[in-house]
Amino acid sequence: GENVEQHPSTLSVQEGDSAVIKCTYSDSASNYFPWYKQELGKRPQLIIDIRSNVGEKKDQRIAVTLNKTAKHFSLHITETQPEDSAVYFCAASSGSARQLTFGSGTQLTVLP
Amino acid sequence: EAGVAQSPRYKIIEKRQSVAFWCNPISGHATLYWYQQILGQGPKLLIQFQNNGVVDDSQLPKDRFSAERLKGVDSTLKIQPAKLEDSAVYLCASSYPRGPGTGELFFGEGSRLTVL
Repeated sequence: GENVEQHPSTLSVQEGDSAVIKCTYSDSASNYFPWYKQELGKRPQLIIDIRSNVGEKKDQRIAVTLNKTAKHFSLHITETQPEDSAVYFCAASSGSARQLTFGSGTQLTVLP
Repeated sequence: EAGVAQSPRYKIIEKRQSVAFWCNPISGHATLYWYQQILGQGPKLLIQFQNNGVVDDSQLPKDRFSAERLKGVDSTLKIQPAKLEDSAVYLCASSYPRGPGTGELFFGEGSRLTVL
């Protein structure tokens, strides 16, 4: 089955700096890669996703890049703000039923 | 649009007892998932339903966990008997029309289980 590894597990940045979170996946058939944000005690919510026919996608301050050859994808957050502090999960979709396999999460802390 | 509803939000039980969680997905969402999220880890898929049929339950510990989705709407997840390692948040999610390959997953608030 699919295996998703996520790094780093914790990340602290100064407000206004950029943050980058990286994930690798094992199943070359995976074709959908979403990123979820989970604030403390709340439900995970989709913030951005990318499909395998696209190399990069941007939405305001967040962007995701995908390298299918290397089987890795990354989340980029620019001009970080305190409200960006949360746990971020990457995921990859594979299998006949398109099951999502999640990474282990990155705790992002934006220091004021 | 109402979100995914789950209950109870919190449950504390002794090991070997049983517990049941309930989920009501977003209206019209054909696919329903149960995920287990252990503290400090990412959600792990337990079971996926498409309408009232099971699509994937390969990671469901079937000796103690069971789930059903009657009439293709609400779903219940049961654990019997519970073990200490079952302490986790149980997240229900739904999507439309056919699963994460085509649509976003909408998660409920989760049911936090503590097994003593």
